Amino acid sequence: GAGVSQSPSNKVTEKGKDVELRCDPISGHTALYWYRQSLGQGLEFLIYFQGNSAPDKSGLPSDRFSAERTGGSVSTLTIQRTQQEDSAVYLCASSSIRGYTGELFFGEGSRLTVL
Amino acid sequence: SQQGEEDPQALSIQEGENATMNCSYKTSINNLQWYRQNSGRGLVHLILIRSNEREKHSGRLRVTLDTSKKSSSLLITASRAADTASYFCATGSMYSGGGADGLTFGKGTHLIIQP
Repeated sequence: GAGVSQSPSNKVTEKGKDVELRCDPISGHTALYWYRQSLGQGLEFLIYFQGNSAPDKSGLPSDRFSAERTGGSVSTLTIQRTQQEDSAVYLCASSSIRGYTGELFFGEGSRLTVL
Repeated sequence: SQQGEEDPQALSIQEGENATMNCSYKTSINNLQWYRQNSGRGLVHLILIRSNEREKHSGRLRVTLDTSKKSSSLLITASRAADTASYFCATGSMYSGGGADGLTFGKGTHLIIQP
């Protein structure tokens, strides 16, 4: 596609439920990032995929959070047993080169509200 | 640890005036990027300046980098209402040792352009 696509754009769920957020990066981009942004705040790094290398999971806040990237393309971020503090916008970004060397392309985000 | 930090946190100016935002960081970097985020949207890349560059221009944007002071500034000239957004700096460093492959975002400056 022309840009990074994220779905759903909005998700409202009840505390304790599991949610899945999807990211379709730009075709050919080897690097993929997930960030979390709470209202009016900066970006909190969650996880980074680069090609076929093992992902950098150092930003995941708890073992309720996991992510996978199938075939080096689409990524799914899963949050199990959601809590109210998980409410935030989850942003996905992709890049054709290593993160610190170049530009990231962001999706519009998935807004998660946990009631 | 937080690398880039923007200053001020919020800025309100009249349309037509120039807007200046600053970013300070702590460790050596390879490059520094500026991104814009309109309300409810993803981040959009504005400009990247490498560590061996001192100034860069793109349209009404002017970015400077002072590696001796570990700081950068983003100047938007002749501001327009459409420039209302949050602006984030992101430092890229192969030395950072942190997650996100050496790319760290600041908390952002919220810019409001009064018509």
